[in-house]
Amino acid sequence: NAGVTQTPKFQVLKTGQSMTLQCAQDMNHEYMSWYRQDPGMGLRLIHYSVGAGITDQGEVPNGYNVSRSTTEDFPLRLLSAAPSQTSVYFCASSSWGDTHNEQFFGPGTRLTVL
Amino acid sequence: SQQGEEDPQALSIQEGENATMNCSYKTSINNLQWYRQNSGRGLVHLILIRSNEREKHSGRLRVTLDTSKKSSSLLITASRAADTASYFCAKRPNAGGTSYGKLTFGQGTILTVHP
Repeated sequence: NAGVTQTPKFQVLKTGQSMTLQCAQDMNHEYMSWYRQDPGMGLRLIHYSVGAGITDQGEVPNGYNVSRSTTEDFPLRLLSAAPSQTSVYFCASSSWGDTHNEQFFGPGTRLTVL
Repeated sequence: SQQGEEDPQALSIQEGENATMNCSYKTSINNLQWYRQNSGRGLVHLILIRSNEREKHSGRLRVTLDTSKKSSSLLITASRAADTASYFCAKRPNAGGTSYGKLTFGQGTILTVHP
């Protein structure tokens, strides 16, 4: 199993550009989520999904869109990038429900917005 | 505001010593999880403790949970240089529906173990 994969690993954008961060998992996990990590801030939840067609907002959803059309994929879209979105983005997945729901994390995408 | 605040923010010890990190939270939880992050890498799950549990062990790790104080501690015994990493607690809310999915992380503790 590849686990959780994220592409790209690095990206530089100009203010106002749009892009999609890709996330895929091959563990048949219902739950997927996106976090951003900034120095001294820990991880902050952006959006999450508990299954195909179901998404919800986390702590810092503004400026980001998500959709979940399949169990495997959970892309994160930046419609108009801003310098404040410079961060490291992590995707994670887990089983859903009151069972072992440890999160499996991807390697991260380092995004710089100029 | 972030749930799962941790202290200390940084901890520096010698190999062989024990390391204790603390995590506090504000609202009711279903479970609390501890993760490790090596520099420049993704997070790796260490241990999960449920709200009806008080203590769990995994190898050199010991986690305690005090729901009356809304706090948890991670103890690493006989630390090694390879334990150098950032450690995060994450809380799963005691909520129904999709709100159960709001797993939120603290700011983390940076542990440095000197050989």
